Amino acid sequence: DGGITQSPKYLFRKEGQNVTLSCEQNLNHDAMYWYRQDPGQGLRLIYYSQIVNDFQKGDIAEGYSVSREKKESFPLTVTSAQKNPTAFYLCASSFPGDSGATYNEQFFGPGTRLTVL
Amino acid sequence: AQSVTQPDIHITVSEGASLELRCNYSYGATPYLFWYVQSPGQGLQLLLKYFSGDTLVQGIKGFEAEFKRSQSSFNLRKPSVHWSDAAEYFCAVGVSGTYKYIFGTGTRLKVLA
Repeated sequence: DGGITQSPKYLFRKEGQNVTLSCEQNLNHDAMYWYRQDPGQGLRLIYYSQIVNDFQKGDIAEGYSVSREKKESFPLTVTSAQKNPTAFYLCASSFPGDSGATYNEQFFGPGTRLTVL
Repeated sequence: AQSVTQPDIHITVSEGASLELRCNYSYGATPYLFWYVQSPGQGLQLLLKYFSGDTLVQGIKGFEAEFKRSQSSFNLRKPSVHWSDAAEYFCAVGVSGTYKYIFGTGTRLKVLA
């Protein structure tokens, strides 16, 4: 079955630690995204990648880093510079077609809940 | 700037009653519009989308939405709500040529038995 997987489902981090959230897709989608979800704030874009070896900052990129070495994978690292990392993190992918067309929907993974102890 | 507004944070309806969730957008060109549903602790699932053509769009689980350009709205409707529809609903707009999507803050639906 095609889809997006995220791991782990729950993650606990001590203050000062970096942690990496995994996102893998087998949909053959070019574009991948990371969102942060906090209660009452909807989804806020952290980073997105249009193609392998390229990615762009979203609206709240500070304290986060990503890589896109393979089409299928888009891991997110939450660094110690992120002051309030406790949140629900969602990965998504889409097939953007020509030049970033966004008439195609995003497919979402099940999410990772990160808690800072 | 582009934006999406969902005016209702919480909505409570009785099972079997009709439902309408509001979504207003601010966007200069013809928008690409989406409704997603999220169960607690889960990812988002697409209910329906609009990008051209018929302004009344049918989706999964008996949902429909109507695009009204004059009102900059894309409201989601269901004629008879089931208890399993209790979830959070997000409206989104795709920003053409940018790879980016803008989401509303969501509406949490509670269904009374």
